[in-house]
Amino acid sequence: DVKVTQSSRYLVKRTGEKVFLECVQDMDHENMFWYRQDPGLGLRLIYFSYDVKMKEKGDIPEGYSVSREKKERFSLILESASTNQTSMYLCASSSVRASSGELFFGEGSRLTVL
Amino acid sequence: GEDVEQSLFLSVREGDSSVINCTYTDSSSTYLYWYKQEPGAGLQLLTYIFSNMDMKQDQRLTVLLNKKDKHLSLRIADTQTGDSAIYFCAEMEGYSTLTFGKGTMLLVSP
Repeated sequence: DVKVTQSSRYLVKRTGEKVFLECVQDMDHENMFWYRQDPGLGLRLIYFSYDVKMKEKGDIPEGYSVSREKKERFSLILESASTNQTSMYLCASSSVRASSGELFFGEGSRLTVL
Repeated sequence: GEDVEQSLFLSVREGDSSVINCTYTDSSSTYLYWYKQEPGAGLQLLTYIFSNMDMKQDQRLTVLLNKKDKHLSLRIADTQTGDSAIYFCAEMEGYSTLTFGKGTMLLVSP
């Protein structure tokens, strides 16, 4: 089974702190994604990556950056956390070989910024 | 840009059928999806339909696609309390990223 693992289920950080959210997938997927999920707003795409060292902005990239140094790992970085970044963050991956484009999701990282 | 709309809440009794509706705006969608999110978990793919299909059935799940009206529905037969979750409709344009709706919370009461 595909497994997408997010390193932290719950984090509490202070305003201005640098935050790293890590995501690892074990199925050699080329594509990886970071979404945030907020009540009433659904899932919004922050960044995605089609290959190692490649990144593309999603719909809401402001205040975030990403890193993809290895194929299996995709990190989301909040350079200076703010309270409006309190949210559930979901990582996902998919294979270019799968014609359906199915995304496999991690269990999420709930970030609270105080 | 692409937009996917779905109602936010649906309440049904156990044993009834549930129908969750979704509309989308992108006529070039290739695949349309239904994902399920249980409390405290990530999203899991329930089923998907290719844009040249009208219907897909998988056990208790029936997906209907009306391309003319850009309307997608998910019917769950014999709904169980374990079906209580948030259901997301999503579309893929070409072979690019997915656009998700805001999710429909399904509450199944005994």
